[in-house]
Amino acid sequence: QSALTQPPSASGSPGQSVTISCTGTSSDVGGYNYVSWYQQHPGKAPKLMIYEVSKRPSGVPDRFSGSKSGNTASLTVSGLQAEDEADYYCSSYAGSTISVFGGGTKLTVL
Amino acid sequence: EVQLVESGGGLVQPGGSLRLSCAASGFTFSSYWMHWVRQAPGKGLVWVSRINSDGSSTSYADSVKGRFTISRDNAKNTLYLQMNSLRAEDTAVYYCARDEAWRFDYWGQGTLVTVSS
Repeated sequence: QSALTQPPSASGSPGQSVTISCTGTSSDVGGYNYVSWYQQHPGKAPKLMIYEVSKRPSGVPDRFSGSKSGNTASLTVSGLQAEDEADYYCSSYAGSTISVFGGGTKLTVL
Repeated sequence: EVQLVESGGGLVQPGGSLRLSCAASGFTFSSYWMHWVRQAPGKGLVWVSRINSDGSSTSYADSVKGRFTISRDNAKNTLYLQMNSLRAEDTAVYYCARDEAWRFDYWGQGTLVTVSS
C-alpha cells in the first residue's frame, strides 16, 4: 500500500497549460484504468475532476484532461485560471478492493 | 442532492476510542460502496477503509487494520468508523466518500479527530 508519487508542486501563468504526473506500479496505476484526480481548495473537501483515467464528470471544465501511459497517469490543466490554484491528488484502484492516493501536488497560478 | 455529513470527531487521549458517523441523503445509500479517507493537518489524502453495499465485505489500510472497523446501517442511511487504540498519528480530518466504480464521486465536509494527551 505505497502512496502514488506526485511532484510536490507545479506552476504556470494564466492561460498556459500545466501537467501533473502520478506514478505508481503495475499493481495500481498500470494495472487498472481506475485512475481518478481530485481538486482540493484550502479548508474544503476534495472534488472529483477526472475518473477512469480520462473521463470528466458533468460540470468539470474541458480544460481538465487526463491520460495514462504505463505506470504513470497525468492530469493536464489547459488555459490556466486563477481558480485552478489548489492541491491536486491522484488515486488508483490497487487490487483486492483497496485504493491508494498520491501525495498531492500544489498547483500555483503565477 | 447528494449529501454526506460526518460527525463524532473530537479530542481523545492516546489509546482511546471514538466512533465516527456519516449520514447520507439524496441517493439510495444501500446501493453504494462507501469509503473513509483521512487527511492529517497539512498533509495529503490517505485512503483508510471501504465497505460494500450490504456491509458483508470490508477492506482496510495496513496502518489501521486491527484497530479500526467500518460498518453501515442501511436502514438509517449511515456509515460508521469505530476507531480503537488511537495513536497520535491518527490525528486527521476524516472524510466519508461515496464510491462509484472506484472513484470517490461525493465527499462529506469532514470531521476532525485529534489524538493527544
